[in-house]
Amino acid sequence: GQNIDQPTEMTATEGAIVQINCTYQTSGFNGLFWYQQHAGEAPTFLSYNVLDGLEEKGRFSSFLSRSKGYSYLLLKELQMKDSASYLCAVRVPSGYSTLTFGKGTMLLVSP
Amino acid sequence: GAVVSQHPSRVICKSGTSVKIECRSLDFQATTMFWYRQFPKKSLMLMATSNEGSKATYEQGVEKDKFLINHASLTLSTLTVTSAHPEDSSFYICSAPTGAGANVLTFGAGSRLTVL
Repeated sequence: GQNIDQPTEMTATEGAIVQINCTYQTSGFNGLFWYQQHAGEAPTFLSYNVLDGLEEKGRFSSFLSRSKGYSYLLLKELQMKDSASYLCAVRVPSGYSTLTFGKGTMLLVSP
Repeated sequence: GAVVSQHPSRVICKSGTSVKIECRSLDFQATTMFWYRQFPKKSLMLMATSNEGSKATYEQGVEKDKFLINHASLTLSTLTVTSAHPEDSSFYICSAPTGAGANVLTFGAGSRLTVL
């Protein structure tokens, strides 16, 4: 089966940096994705890693270590609007581009 | 960028009735679409893969006779919840592969179903 773990909740203050970790154990690996989901809304794509290393995109960065089955999402200069659930998802090799999602990390940014 | 349109955003129905949810790809064709279900504070669970021109592929534990999926064209997939019961109340989200190499899943806005 597939197992994707991430913390349930995290809190941080505005302007700070927060790192959200994700570990995975899957039958195969074909990429790791991070999505942001605000309450009652659909997830929106943040980042994609398929090779080891760091991918930076503005205030958001994502890191992957395939040998360790580990990724993190780094959010810098936190803003109140960053309060949301952050979903780690893994794509396993198959005929389709399906993703298996973790339970999500609810991030609360306070003033 | 690619947009996936989902309708209705919210629907309330009586127990025993059927509800249809539409998912459309705007400005691009989607031979494959995915239907997910999400309970409050839970993760997205893949229900089925919708294939244009062929039968949908359902995940283990998902009743195909209850959740009817029809991929009528390259831009439209529908999910019909038949004989709905209160336990079917949930957030249903469709998605389609987009971008270079169809690497990224783009999601619709989701449909909140409440069965009374």
